[in-house]
Amino acid sequence: GAVVSQHPSWVICKSGTSVKIECRSLDFQATTMFWYRQFPKQSLMLMATSNEGSKATYEQGVEKDKFLINHASLTLSTLTVTSAHPEDSSFYICSARDRGSYNEQFFGPGTRLTVL
Amino acid sequence: QQQVKQSPQSLIVQKGGISIINCAYENTAFDYFPWYQQFPGKGPALLIAIRPDVSEKKEGRFTISFNKSAKQFSLHIMDSQPGDSATYFCAASMGFGNEKLTFGTGTRLTIIP
Repeated sequence: GAVVSQHPSWVICKSGTSVKIECRSLDFQATTMFWYRQFPKQSLMLMATSNEGSKATYEQGVEKDKFLINHASLTLSTLTVTSAHPEDSSFYICSARDRGSYNEQFFGPGTRLTVL
Repeated sequence: QQQVKQSPQSLIVQKGGISIINCAYENTAFDYFPWYQQFPGKGPALLIAIRPDVSEKKEGRFTISFNKSAKQFSLHIMDSQPGDSATYFCAASMGFGNEKLTFGTGTRLTIIP
């Protein structure tokens, strides 16, 4: 149980285009989902917290107009990187909190974004 | 005050030995302390977690020791195996309704034959 999927697993795009990443909780309902960014050999940096049916809460320094987050249902959240630039290249990981658990977060497998 | 300090940055342990990774925190409002294991190119996987009402939790070869007064917690991997070679992250979060995880900087563990 407690499986989180992400799609796509990797994506290469041209500078200036937008990319959408999906995060799904497959076998549980997630009232809260989180989006992280991870650079090589570094820790995870929280970008934003999204609650189903409400606006995402962004961490300080994260551009909300650049990283659009939508949490339309209890099993799906999306992250759209708008007008991507090479500096947006990174490993993006989502996590989901099982509404029936205390604080457990289960992570997706990650999406490798490369912007040319 | 939100930081979680993790050490060592890297660790090499012989197969069959005990791997120990330490974390320290400042915020006494933290009340959930998970450990995650991450392999290259993959997302972190929840390994084991502890709440402050117990001082130790064991699951198989993995044990968390928790010292509330010192604000420290550690992960012990007994009988370490080459398959345990990965990066380990400690984390902490506060109570219900504020579940943001604050991660440590990670420990790269290598188990040698």
